[in-house]
Amino acid sequence: DAGVIQSPRHEVTEMGQEVTLRCKPISGHNSLFWYRQTMMRGLELLIYFNNNVPIDDSGMPEDRFSAKMPNASFSTLKIQPSEPRDSAVYFCASSSLRGQGLYGYTFGSGTRLTVV
Amino acid sequence: GQQLNQSPQSMFIQEGEDVSMNCTSSSIFNTWLWYKQDPGEGPVLLIALYKAGELTSNGRLTAQFGITRKDSFLNISASIPSDVGIYFCAGRPGSGAGKSTFGDGTTLTVKP
Repeated sequence: DAGVIQSPRHEVTEMGQEVTLRCKPISGHNSLFWYRQTMMRGLELLIYFNNNVPIDDSGMPEDRFSAKMPNASFSTLKIQPSEPRDSAVYFCASSSLRGQGLYGYTFGSGTRLTVV
Repeated sequence: GQQLNQSPQSMFIQEGEDVSMNCTSSSIFNTWLWYKQDPGEGPVLLIALYKAGELTSNGRLTAQFGITRKDSFLNISASIPSDVGIYFCAGRPGSGAGKSTFGDGTTLTVKP
């Protein structure tokens, strides 16, 4: 199992540009989460999906942020236009709604975004 | 909303020492989870707890789910240099998958 795959690992962009972060969850997992991590705020949940449907997007900072999950194996987080305060590490995580065993998340390695 | 208070914020210990960290909440959680994050990586699940009073071990790690369901602790015995990292607690109101609330983390430094 390749785990949760995020791309790119690093992104440096200029203020005002559009940024798209990508995530491939673990096959068979039907919950997907987008988190943002900064020194000041720690891990913040932005949005999560169950069975490709957005369930809670209350953590999305503002309208500049949008997330989609067109199918069970792919999700994107888009920032348009980007601002320097969006600089952070963005994590995608997935978990399974069904079955026994651990219900913790499996996190990807993150995308480190720097907006200059 | 729900908040988790994790302490201590950081720890500096000597290799071989035992470590204890805890997490408290103003709300009841039905699932407690402990993660470790290495530099440049995402958090990795260490231990999951599902019942009040439950005590679970994973190698040198031991975690307990508080009786009140509002707290949890993590112990690491005989620390080694690779234990260095940030440890996060997370709580979830339900027992299945779903949204977790994360603590602010405990940064552990182990001196050889």
